[in-house]
Amino acid sequence: DTGVSQDPRHKITKRGQNVTFRCDPISEHNRLYWYRQTLGQGPEFLTYFQNEAQLEKSRLLSDRFSAERPKGSFSTLEIQRTEQGDSAMYLCASSLAPGQHGANVLTFGAGSRLTVL
Amino acid sequence: QQQVKQSPQSLIVQKGGISIINCAYENTAFDYFPWYQQFPGKGPALLIAIRPDVSEKKEGRFTISFNKSAKQFSLHIMDSQPGDSATYFCAALRPSGSARQLTFGSGTQLTVLP
Repeated sequence: DTGVSQDPRHKITKRGQNVTFRCDPISEHNRLYWYRQTLGQGPEFLTYFQNEAQLEKSRLLSDRFSAERPKGSFSTLEIQRTEQGDSAMYLCASSLAPGQHGANVLTFGAGSRLTVL
Repeated sequence: QQQVKQSPQSLIVQKGGISIINCAYENTAFDYFPWYQQFPGKGPALLIAIRPDVSEKKEGRFTISFNKSAKQFSLHIMDSQPGDSATYFCAALRPSGSARQLTFGSGTQLTVLP
């Protein structure tokens, strides 16, 4: 296992189009997180899953955003009707569950950079 | 609401010098304070972390100093090297319902001159 993988690394789309990002976490990690990072800023929490259950969503996650983790392994983040303000790096991270040694450590992927024209 | 404030925004240090990055937090519920290092085109990677019951933690050239009463913590990079040039983020972890949510500072872009 080489870490958290994200695909695609870069996506350029026109305003109004839908985009989907995929994240493959570290296999033994049952928690998966999505963050958004804009230029010159720190990552901002969007949502997280424990196994297949989506347990928390930030108010940053508008109705146009949906995330899934259908089998508790990989996750997808879909943005519908993209807007220019959605342009950002979308980061996925994974971790062990609470109570496990190292559960506080989030391992991030390299991110998927979205540019909305 | 920015719960973790980080300064400076950018820092230039000569090779061999000491780099110091400062963070302040507001929420006393935070109970774990990691620092992440991010290189261009990469995701953030954990560098070092501290719990609030400890005032200092050192790992190699990296040291976190923690002041619980002031709600401040800082990262010191001793003998800074050009390879340390990256963006550094402080962060704070808190329980949030059933989750543990990581809140990041705005980042410090460190440049170490050869």
